[in-house]
Amino acid sequence: GQNIDQPTEMTATEGAIVQINCTYQTSGFNGLFWYQQHAGEAPTFLSYNVLDGLEEKGRFSSFLSRSKGYSYLLLKELQMKDSASYLCAVRGAAGNKLTFGGGTRVLVKP
Amino acid sequence: DVKVTQSSRYLVKRTGEKVFLECVQDMDHENMFWYRQDPGLGLRLIYFSYDVKMKEKGDIPEGYSVSREKKERFSLILESASTNQTSMYLCASSPGQKGYTFGSGTRLTVV
Repeated sequence: GQNIDQPTEMTATEGAIVQINCTYQTSGFNGLFWYQQHAGEAPTFLSYNVLDGLEEKGRFSSFLSRSKGYSYLLLKELQMKDSASYLCAVRGAAGNKLTFGGGTRVLVKP
Repeated sequence: DVKVTQSSRYLVKRTGEKVFLECVQDMDHENMFWYRQDPGLGLRLIYFSYDVKMKEKGDIPEGYSVSREKKERFSLILESASTNQTSMYLCASSPGQKGYTFGSGTRLTVV
């Protein structure tokens, strides 16, 4: 089975940095995804990690350690529009199914 | 850009009704998925399909069925709607070993 944990909610100030952690226990592993979801909207793809290390994409970076079953999403230079839920999802060894964590709601304050 | 279209944004149905949720994608993707999203529970996989006429159960298939007669269309069917099926339903498609593109979601209320 799959078990994915991430914090429920985080608050940060505009211009600051926030790190959202995700830990997982899975029967197989073939990649980890991060999605952003604004209230009432569909999730949109942010990042993908399949090898250990850091992937940087503008203000957003994602890190993976497969041996520790751990990932984080780093949001830098926070903007008000970054207020959203961030979903961690793991793809198992077989097929293309994603299992999602409960999501982390990030609130950016002025 | 890939577009995944869900036919209804909001639906209100009565207990016991048969409900059809439609999803269409326009990029010839093999894989399509139906999830429901509930507060505190995240996205949970109901059914998925890797090709036309193929379907596989996800983590919570009870009370649901699916149909994939054409590659671009994946329908979720609630055989007899119940109040515990009130939820946000999200359809997604994927071209194989890549991430998903989601539709805008259908918020279903069963009264």
